[in-house]
Amino acid sequence: DAGVTQSPTHLIKTRGQQVTLRCSPISGHKSVSWYQQVLGQGPQFIFQYYEKEERGRGNFPDRFSARQFPNYSSELNVNALLLGDSALYLCASSPRTDTQYFGPGTRLTVL
Amino acid sequence: GENVEQHPSTLSVQEGDSAVIKCTYSDSASNYFPWYKQELGKRPQLIIDIRSNVGEKKDQRIAVTLNKTAKHFSLHITETQPEDSAVYFCAASIGTNAGKSTFGDGTTLTVKP
Repeated sequence: DAGVTQSPTHLIKTRGQQVTLRCSPISGHKSVSWYQQVLGQGPQFIFQYYEKEERGRGNFPDRFSARQFPNYSSELNVNALLLGDSALYLCASSPRTDTQYFGPGTRLTVL
Repeated sequence: GENVEQHPSTLSVQEGDSAVIKCTYSDSASNYFPWYKQELGKRPQLIIDIRSNVGEKKDQRIAVTLNKTAKHFSLHITETQPEDSAVYFCAASIGTNAGKSTFGDGTTLTVKP
């Protein structure tokens, strides 16, 4: 079975721009979570979606939004990019709300 | 919200020695405690987890202990090997919802041959 996939792998944007990151969960997994990992720190929770409904939101500004589609894939959108948004964005999926499996991440650089 | 502190931030051991990483958490409602290994440029990978109804869990050279009263849990790696070198993260989840985990800041483990 394929693992969690994310696209794109790398992305370079300038301040003020908008970005959309994509995640495909493991087949059969209905829960998708998004995390931001700044260099040298642990992943920080952004959103969780389960069965297309938001199940939780971390301490991030409204510039961050997400959604989950009927096939359980998910998108994370970030508007009005700041330099501090530069990070590795990780997607994780799980069958319900138990053990989660991470994707390879999208490396976002904001210049 | 939940707060997880992890120590030490760096750990260097000789091959064959044991390594211990400790974490504390703040929210008594947390019931699921996973540990992840992240190699440079790669995704975090679950290596072991423990739920609050268990005090200890072992998988070959890796073990995790949990003290719910003291709100701390630890990762123990025995007979370390150079391929154990990586960054290790602990995490805690309210209830058993792994998808809303709070992570520690990681421990960089170096195993010297």
